[in-house]
Amino acid sequence: AQTVTQSQPETSVQEAETVTLSCTYDTSENNYYLFWYKQPPSRQMILVIRQEAYKQQNATENRFSVNFQKAAKSFSLKISDSQLGDTAMYFCAFMTSNFGNEKLTFGTGTRLTIIP
Amino acid sequence: GAVVSQHPSRVICKSGTSVKIECRSLDFQATTMFWYRQFPKQSLMLMATSNEGSKATYEQGVEKDKFLINHASLTLSTLTVTSAHPEDSSFYICSAPRGYITDTQYFGPGTRLTVL
Repeated sequence: AQTVTQSQPETSVQEAETVTLSCTYDTSENNYYLFWYKQPPSRQMILVIRQEAYKQQNATENRFSVNFQKAAKSFSLKISDSQLGDTAMYFCAFMTSNFGNEKLTFGTGTRLTIIP
Repeated sequence: GAVVSQHPSRVICKSGTSVKIECRSLDFQATTMFWYRQFPKQSLMLMATSNEGSKATYEQGVEKDKFLINHASLTLSTLTVTSAHPEDSSFYICSAPRGYITDTQYFGPGTRLTVL
């Protein structure tokens, strides 16, 4: 079974600064998908970024980028120019590409607070 | 972006009663939907995979007779919590992929269930 580990329960950063959230995972598979989801106080889950394991290039979405290290099974999220609206819980998630077993496994989350 | 709705957003019921939660994909069809449970300050735990036209697949430890899932159409899945007890109080979230199951999951806004 796959596991996803987020070792930072919470962190905070000043507005406009850069913050990195860590995530590691364990799998024996070669093809899979990784995600970062954001859950603000409204509790609506919002996709931040998606990475396909077979792609070596790190995914980027505006101020959000990942550092995907497949060999190390690491998938960290970098938020640049942080904004107050970035305050939320951030969940790292893994999905296998094995047919019939595609489902999201979430990490325990990191609570990010942006300080004005 | 794709929209997934849930109804009701919150419900309070007496112990022993049954509660139905609806999950709808509003602008796309979903042959598969997922149901999660989230306890306060915890991560999302997958309960079951809802398959249109066939039986749901439940995760280990989830009682299928207690959490009844019906995927009646390509846009609607329902979760019925039968004979609810206070320990069933939780935040229930559904999700659906737009396109292939490994595509991005779009999440509903969640339903807060409180059992008195």
